[in-house]
Amino acid sequence: AQTVTQSQPEMSVQEAETVTLSCTYDTSESDYYLFWYKQPPSRQMILVIRQEAYKQQNATENRFSVNFQKAAKSFSLKISDSQLGDAAMYFCAYRSALGTYKYIFGTGTRLKVLA
Amino acid sequence: KAGVTQTPRYLIKTRGQQVTLSCSPISGHRSVSWYQQTPGQGLQFLFEYFSETQRNKGNFPGRFSGRQFSNSRSEMNVSTLELGDSALYLCASSPIPQLAGGFQETQYFGPGTRLLVL
Repeated sequence: AQTVTQSQPEMSVQEAETVTLSCTYDTSESDYYLFWYKQPPSRQMILVIRQEAYKQQNATENRFSVNFQKAAKSFSLKISDSQLGDAAMYFCAYRSALGTYKYIFGTGTRLKVLA
Repeated sequence: KAGVTQTPRYLIKTRGQQVTLSCSPISGHRSVSWYQQTPGQGLQFLFEYFSETQRNKGNFPGRFSGRQFSNSRSEMNVSTLELGDSALYLCASSPIPQLAGGFQETQYFGPGTRLLVL
């Protein structure tokens, strides 16, 4: 069975600085998708970034980028130029590409942004 | 385009009662998934429906059930409520491949229903 691990329950970053959130996963599959979702306090969960496992190039979305290391089964999220609005719970998620539509989420990392 | 909506947003029930939660997906989405979110357990997958059929099920007792209607709206029901069922219940929908623009694997979440069982 697949698992997703986020080993950092909480992280802090100064405004305008860069922070990296870690995520590792375990799977025997070769084709899958990885996601980072953001859940601000008392607000809706939204997609931050996604990565297809068959793509070697790391995904980027404005200030958000990932470091996808398939062999190491690592999928970290880098937030550059951190803003107060980035404060949230961040969840890493895995979804198989082989027809099992179940998502597996990590336990989340709470990111605090310090002014 | 309207997002995923969930009703009610807040609910207080007592042990032994049953509850029904509703989710309306984004227009054109046919896949609806349900999750239970608690501080201790994180997001736990309940089940997923596609075109009125349950396609996947998580490891929850039979007290948790769901269904999907022909308009893709979904309901989940919890019978014989227990204190441990207190949680935020999230619904998420995904587009069909033809409308997804390559993002059919992406889930779009609703605001959740916060259930408190006393």
